[in-house]
Amino acid sequence: AQSVTQLGSHVSVSEGALVLLRCNYSSSVPPYLFWYVQYPNQGLQLLLKYTSAATLVKGINGFEAEFKKSETSFHLTKPSAHMSDAAEYFCAVSPSSASKIIFGSGTRLSIRP
Amino acid sequence: DGGITQSPKYLFRKEGQNVTLSCEQNLNHDAMYWYRQDPGQGLRLIYYSQIVNDFQKGDIAEGYSVSREKKESFPLTVTSAQKNPTAFYLCASSIDPAGGGTGTLHFGNGTRLTVT
Repeated sequence: AQSVTQLGSHVSVSEGALVLLRCNYSSSVPPYLFWYVQYPNQGLQLLLKYTSAATLVKGINGFEAEFKKSETSFHLTKPSAHMSDAAEYFCAVSPSSASKIIFGSGTRLSIRP
Repeated sequence: DGGITQSPKYLFRKEGQNVTLSCEQNLNHDAMYWYRQDPGQGLRLIYYSQIVNDFQKGDIAEGYSVSREKKESFPLTVTSAQKNPTAFYLCASSIDPAGGGTGTLHFGNGTRLTVT
């Protein structure tokens, strides 16, 4: 069965520091991968998605993620954290274009002043 | 602006009562979904619909029911059979009628249901 694992339910970084949120997936076929962000009491919005084009995917708000097949990973990074980045981040996987999207359990990102 | 509207934002019910959560979209999307979100568990799929008058159970459909009489609307009823209904419920839509995959999910802002 396909699954996605987010390492760390809570990550805290200082403003201006590197943000790294980890995501590993299991899939029997090359998957489609997504990162979504959720601000408090709101729905999710798409940050970026990988669909077998370039392995380095750039998203909104300065975030990017790199697909590494050998490591089955799709970690999310941002060079310099901003206070407005505080939110919950969800990694998601879909094994094929005809499959449902499966979400990880989420990582809450806090930013220290 | 196109989007998904969920109402109400907060809902309180007594145990044993059925309650219906509204979800309306004006994105002209074929596929619509209902997810349940609990702290530390991510999103779990309750029901989804790929076309009008058709819907399928997701991973946790027990105690829930849906209808899809119009393309724009996909209401969710939480019945008294749902043993732990207190949660944050999210509705989403996708232009991808196959149900996800490469398609982006567009989410509403959710309904927080509290049952006491």
